[in-house]
Amino acid sequence: SQKIEQNSEALNIQEGKTATLTCNYTNYSPAYLQWYRQDPGRGPVFLLLIRENEKEKRKERLKVTFDTTLKQSLFHITASQPADSATYLCAPRSGNTGKLIFGQGTTLQVKP
Amino acid sequence: DVKVTQSSRYLVKRTGEKVFLECVQDMDHENMFWYRQDPGLGLRLIYFSYDVKMKEKGDIPEGYSVSREKKERFSLILESASTNQTSMYLCASSFRSLRQANQPQHFGDGTRLSIL
Repeated sequence: SQKIEQNSEALNIQEGKTATLTCNYTNYSPAYLQWYRQDPGRGPVFLLLIRENEKEKRKERLKVTFDTTLKQSLFHITASQPADSATYLCAPRSGNTGKLIFGQGTTLQVKP
Repeated sequence: DVKVTQSSRYLVKRTGEKVFLECVQDMDHENMFWYRQDPGLGLRLIYFSYDVKMKEKGDIPEGYSVSREKKERFSLILESASTNQTSMYLCASSFRSLRQANQPQHFGDGTRLSIL
């Protein structure tokens, strides 16, 4: 079955450093992959989408890579700030389905 | 801005009750989704609907049903609530295009449901 793996352990980093979160998938060949941010007690909020033919996508301090050979996406936040503290979810998609399959999410804690 | 509104933030019900969770979106989205979110299990799709009166089962539909009588409203029904349905329930909507996979989903803030 399709499986999405994100590091379940929280990631703690110092303000100003680059945070890197990993999303691995198996039994799956997604044409697109999305990243979401979720704050405690709130619903997820869409951040970025990357297509299989795009190696890298950037938006302000965010960068996402997509390696279809390794079946992995990396999500980077540069110059991290305490306000970046949240849980980040990856959601690879397949073909033209409207459905998403979510990873469990990785919680990022940025310390001042 | 897209707004997805869930009727209750917190809800407490008793075992065996029939429970209705309501979701309304204001952006004329065709697709609507119901998920539940549990620690260690992440977000799991219960049902989704791609048009009025249309529905498809997600990964965990057992014990649930849905209703979509109007485009903007998607209801989740727990036919006979059980304690293992205690969870955070999230509704989402998205625009339906010819290339659906590139449409982000917009979420409500969830209903935390406790079944006693």
